[in-house]
Amino acid sequence: GQNIDQPTEMTATEGAIVQINCTYQTSGFNGLFWYQQHAGEAPTFLSYNVLDGLEEKGRFSSFLSRSKGYSYLLLKELQMKDSASYLCAVRDLPRSARQLTFGSGTQLTVLP
Amino acid sequence: DVKVTQSSRYLVKRTGEKVFLECVQDMDHENMFWYRQDPGLGLRLIYFSYDVKMKEKGDIPEGYSVSREKKERFSLILESASTNQTSMYLCASSPGPGKRDSPLHFGNGTRLTVT
Repeated sequence: GQNIDQPTEMTATEGAIVQINCTYQTSGFNGLFWYQQHAGEAPTFLSYNVLDGLEEKGRFSSFLSRSKGYSYLLLKELQMKDSASYLCAVRDLPRSARQLTFGSGTQLTVLP
Repeated sequence: DVKVTQSSRYLVKRTGEKVFLECVQDMDHENMFWYRQDPGLGLRLIYFSYDVKMKEKGDIPEGYSVSREKKERFSLILESASTNQTSMYLCASSPGPGKRDSPLHFGNGTRLTVT
């Protein structure tokens, strides 16, 4: 079976750094995705990791450790618009049309 | 940019009604998906399709069916709506196999209320 765990809620202050963790237990592993979802809107793609290490994209970075079944999303220089739900999703099978299994999401609130 | 369009943003239906949710994508993607999203449960896969006229059950197919007669269109059907099908429904698409790092592209969602 598939199991993906994320914290339900986090709060941080504008300008700060926040790390959102994701742990997974899946029958296979072929990539991990992070999505951002603002209230009432569609999820939008943030990052993809398939090899161990850090991927950086501007203020957002994502890290993966396959041996530990662990990823995190790092958000720097937080802005009010970063208040959203952050979804971790894992692809377990190669070339899988089934695509992704999602975690329940972490609701991030950025305070002024 | 990929555009995934869901025909309705909000729908209110009565118990027992047949409900159609339509989704169209404009990027010639092979794969299309229907998810529902509920608080605390995240996104759960209902059905997906990897080609025209092909469909596969996801994790929670009970009470739903789908249709894919054309590559760009994927319809979700609730044969007899029930109150436990009140939810946000999200359609998504992605390119075919061989592009494993391609993300899903989501529509804006349909919030369905069954009374």
